Amino acid sequence: AQKITQTQPGMFVQEKEAVTLDCTYDTSDQSYGLFWYKQPSSGEMIFLIYQGSYDEQNATEGRYSLNFQKARKSANLVISASQLGDSAMYFCAMRERSRGYNKLIFGAGTRLAVHP
Amino acid sequence: GAGVSQSPSNKVTEKGKDVELRCDPISGHTALYWYRQSLGQGLEFLIYFQGNSAPDKSGLPSDRFSAERTGGSVSTLTIQRTQQEDSAVYLCASSLSRDGSLYNSPLHFGNGTRLTVT
Repeated sequence: AQKITQTQPGMFVQEKEAVTLDCTYDTSDQSYGLFWYKQPSSGEMIFLIYQGSYDEQNATEGRYSLNFQKARKSANLVISASQLGDSAMYFCAMRERSRGYNKLIFGAGTRLAVHP
Repeated sequence: GAGVSQSPSNKVTEKGKDVELRCDPISGHTALYWYRQSLGQGLEFLIYFQGNSAPDKSGLPSDRFSAERTGGSVSTLTIQRTQQEDSAVYLCASSLSRDGSLYNSPLHFGNGTRLTVT
C-alpha cells in the first residue's frame, strides 16, 4: 500500500497566485512527522517545511504553509504568491514512530510550473 | 557550513563492472541515508545508518548492493556487476539526532551521483 500519495503529477499556476499541492498519507501511528521538499531542475533536494502529528497549528515558513488535516490524513502544501523560481518537483514525505523515525518515505512528487 | 558531499557527481560504467559511490555527511550528523531516484521518479529508500551500524537495509534491491560507513562519517555505496537498470541518481542524505530522536529532523541531501550503465 502506498504510504504517501500525491495525486497531481503536474500542476501549473500563474505567477503571483497561490497554489495547493496535495498529499495524503497512510499510517497507523499516532506519532509521525511530515515533510515537504522541493527539487528544481538542478536536482538538489531542498527542505521546505515540517509538520509534527501533535502540532496543533499548521506549519508556516515564509510563503509556504502546510494545511494539515489529521483526521483526513492530508498534509497539503500551499505556496502563496508564486514566483517563477518555484517551478520544480515537490515531494511530500513522512517519518513514522513505529519505524523509530528512521526512514523517510517519499511520495511520487508533483511537478509545478509557474507561468508568467 | 559544508553540506553533504557526494562523489563522483557523474559516473559512466560498463555493464558488469563494479562501482563505488561516496558520501561525506554534514559534520556531527549521526544518521545517514542512501536513496535512489530513477529518471522522473520519486525517491526510493535504500539503506539507513545510525553511526556505523545499519539498522535498516530493507531497501537494498539485491545482494549486488552493499554499503558501509566508517568512523561514523563517510559512507560508501557499492554496486557489483552493474546492470542497466541500476542507472539512476543516487542521493545521500544526513540528519541530526536531537535528544536521541530523529522525529523532527529534516534530511539534508547531497547533489547526488548520476550513474549510467552502458
